[in-house]
Amino acid sequence: DAGVIQSPRHEVTEMGQEVTLRCKPISGHDYLFWYRQTMMRGLELLIYFNNNVPIDDSGMPEDRFSAKMPNASFSTLKIQPSEPRDSAVYFCASDRAGGAYGYTFGSGTRLTVV
Amino acid sequence: AQSVAQPEDQVNVAEGNPLTVKCTYSVSGNPYLFWYVQYPNRGLQFLLKYITGDNLVKGSYGFEAEFNKSQTSFHLKKPSALVSDSALYFCAVRDDFNFNKFYFGSGTKLNVKP
Repeated sequence: DAGVIQSPRHEVTEMGQEVTLRCKPISGHDYLFWYRQTMMRGLELLIYFNNNVPIDDSGMPEDRFSAKMPNASFSTLKIQPSEPRDSAVYFCASDRAGGAYGYTFGSGTRLTVV
Repeated sequence: AQSVAQPEDQVNVAEGNPLTVKCTYSVSGNPYLFWYVQYPNRGLQFLLKYITGDNLVKGSYGFEAEFNKSQTSFHLKKPSALVSDSALYFCAVRDDFNFNKFYFGSGTKLNVKP
């Protein structure tokens, strides 16, 4: 398996623009997680899905952030409009049911909003 | 509520010396504990886990962790550090009810000097 695949690896955008981050989880994993990592706040859980259904989005910072999982092999995290304080590394992770195996993380998307 | 604490932001050790990265946890039920490593510009990688059984758990790259129920600790150890072990290390605990939801510590930066 190729692991969790995220795209793009790097994204530079201007303030006010829409940004879409993409994730392909490992086949057969029922859970998908979106995290944000910054120096100031560390690793933050934004939202997670089970069988394509959002379970907990309490970590989504504002209405500018939205996430979807239209099918078992694809998820997006969208920021509209983007702001400089959204600059961070965004990670996607997937996991099998039960929580006994540990997450598999993607390589992340480094977002810079100028 | 479940949580983990990593009391040290940074650990410095000389190559060849033993290393310890500390983690304490708080759970209501049986703890499921994990260690992850993050190398620069990479996603988090699974190192090892404790679910049940022996208190000394062996993982990848020669790392091991000691589960101590009385002290509610799960410290990461390695008998002889390598410069290539320099990275950011995260401890995590599984939620007591939502088994696939993990709580991550704030991370400890390990610096191994030649």
